[in-house]
Amino acid sequence: GAGVSQSPSNKVTEKGKDVELRCDPISGHTALYWYRQSLGQGLEFLIYFQGNSAPDKSGLPSDRFSAERTGGSVSTLTIQRTQQEDSAVYLCASSPPGNYGYTFGSGTRLTVV
Amino acid sequence: SQQGEEDPQALSIQEGENATMNCSYKTSINNLQWYRQNSGRGLVHLILIRSNEREKHSGRLRVTLDTSKKSSSLLITASRAADTASYFCATGDSSYKLIFGSGTRLLVRP
Repeated sequence: GAGVSQSPSNKVTEKGKDVELRCDPISGHTALYWYRQSLGQGLEFLIYFQGNSAPDKSGLPSDRFSAERTGGSVSTLTIQRTQQEDSAVYLCASSPPGNYGYTFGSGTRLTVV
Repeated sequence: SQQGEEDPQALSIQEGENATMNCSYKTSINNLQWYRQNSGRGLVHLILIRSNEREKHSGRLRVTLDTSKKSSSLLITASRAADTASYFCATGDSSYKLIFGSGTRLLVRP
């Protein structure tokens, strides 16, 4: 596609529910990244995919967080049993082989009530 | 953990003035990048400078990198109201993962 697409753009969920956030990267971009940003803060690294494998999951805050990528394309970030501290904007980015610059999606604003 | 720390946290200038933002980091890097973020959503890549480069230009942007001091600066010349945004530096090592700083909020007054 023309850009990195994320859905939904906004999600309000009740505490304890599971949520799935989707990222559709630019076609041909082999690397895909998930970050989250709390209000007024910097970006916190969550996970990085190269193709379908995740060489670096070091940023996932707890075992309630998981992510997968299938077909070297779409990625899903799943948060189980959501907590209020999970409220943030979740940003996805992708980059082509050999290029260090990221293209970001517009993010999913998650609010846990 | 955050690698880069921007300074100042917030900057307010008059349209037409230059804006300078600084970034300091802690560990060895392969490259350093600057991004802009409007209204708390997606970031836009502005410029990348590699560890063996000292200065880079792109339009009204000038980036410098001093690896001995582990610092970088972003200069926006002849600022415009449309430059109002948050600016983040991000450092990369030999992998493709970027670690972002906490950002500088720039306000350009018309």
